[in-house]
Amino acid sequence: AQSVAQPEDQVNVAEGNPLTVKCTYSVSGNPYLFWYVQYPNRGLQFLLKYITGDNLVKGSYGFEAEFNKSQTSFHLKKPSALVSDSALYFCAVRPISGSGYALNFGKGTSLLVTP
Amino acid sequence: EAGVAQSPRYKIIEKRQSVAFWCNPISGHATLYWYQQILGQGPKLLIQFQNNGVVDDSQLPKDRFSAERLKGVDSTLKIQPAKLEDSAVYLCASSRGEATSTDTQYFGPGTRLTVL
Repeated sequence: AQSVAQPEDQVNVAEGNPLTVKCTYSVSGNPYLFWYVQYPNRGLQFLLKYITGDNLVKGSYGFEAEFNKSQTSFHLKKPSALVSDSALYFCAVRPISGSGYALNFGKGTSLLVTP
Repeated sequence: EAGVAQSPRYKIIEKRQSVAFWCNPISGHATLYWYQQILGQGPKLLIQFQNNGVVDDSQLPKDRFSAERLKGVDSTLKIQPAKLEDSAVYLCASSRGEATSTDTQYFGPGTRLTVL
């Protein structure tokens, strides 16, 4: 079964500091990995995805994520956090074969950026 | 490009009542998904359509939930009768549906259901 784990319920960081939101995955074979962000009372917004190639993936709003196969991780990062980055972040994995392409989501990590 | 549209945004019903949610995907997107997001959890797939055919409904509680996608565009998700544990946000997503799982799914704003 394909799954992801987000070990932190909440991450707190001061504005201007770098931020990291952690995600580890458990899959058979090569994974397709995604990050989404959810603001209050809104749907999920796509940030970035890893399919193949360069391990460092750049996405929307200055976010990036590093795929690390040896550590089975796909951590989300941003060099300088903004207060407006405060939201709920979800990591997700999708099977690379089969007819169903539904995403398996982690439980989410709440990011709080303080001024 | 218009995003995924959902209605209503909020719904409050009594248990044992019925409710329906509507979704209009991004134009041209062949694949449509319904997810259920319970408070404090990540979204969980209920059903996936490819055009107007069901691809995966293995996690849909078929004794009370039903969904259809007539003409391969809009979709409706229905719950009848509702239970307290159905209180959640129901998210609709769509993707182009290319023959590869690298597609990005785009989500609507969701419908927040409260069952009293």
